[in-house]
Amino acid sequence: GNSVTQMEGPVTLSEEAFLTINCTYTATGYPSLFWYVQYPGEGLQLLLKATKADDKGSNKGFEATYRKETTSFHLEKGSVQVSDSAVYFCALRANAGGTSYGKLTFGQGTILTVHP
Amino acid sequence: DAGVTQSPTHLIKTRGQQVTLRCSPISGHKSVSWYQQVLGQGPQFIFQYYEKEERGRGNFPDRFSARQFPNYSSELNVNALLLGDSALYLCASSLWQEVAYEQYFGPGTRLTVT
Repeated sequence: GNSVTQMEGPVTLSEEAFLTINCTYTATGYPSLFWYVQYPGEGLQLLLKATKADDKGSNKGFEATYRKETTSFHLEKGSVQVSDSAVYFCALRANAGGTSYGKLTFGQGTILTVHP
Repeated sequence: DAGVTQSPTHLIKTRGQQVTLRCSPISGHKSVSWYQQVLGQGPQFIFQYYEKEERGRGNFPDRFSARQFPNYSSELNVNALLLGDSALYLCASSLWQEVAYEQYFGPGTRLTVT
């Protein structure tokens, strides 16, 4: 079945540091890949997405590139802010037809804390 | 436009009881999915409904059931509650199931089973 593995957390950084959160996946076919962010006490917000190999998703200074050869979708940001402190989830969605193909499969989440 | 709304925000129940959670999708969205997020873990898929029909089911026991109404809102029911059912229950809506448009999540219902 499909699965997503994220780097072990939590991650603690100082403001303006470079961020990388690793994500690798296992899936048949060509899934779409997503990064979601969850702020304390809130639901999930879509941060960025990529729907095919070599696509780069970007939003709010965050970037991730769909690498089919390494089955990875690592999240990066050049300079983090205190307001980026949250839990980040990598997810995939199978793009083939059939039952539950709209289903999202999530990683376990990575807690990011940014200090001033 | 309003986003996905869920009610109630928080809920405390006792083991063995039954609970109903409600979700209203974004206007125009016809597909609703439910996810369970246990503390410290990623969300797990429970159900997907589209045009009032179940289109997908995750690996959850039969104690979990759901339905979608003609206005596309949805209810998730959990019977015979167990302590392990304590979690944040998330609802997500999207435009179409077949085309697999991106999903938008509500704020969730925090269920505590004592």
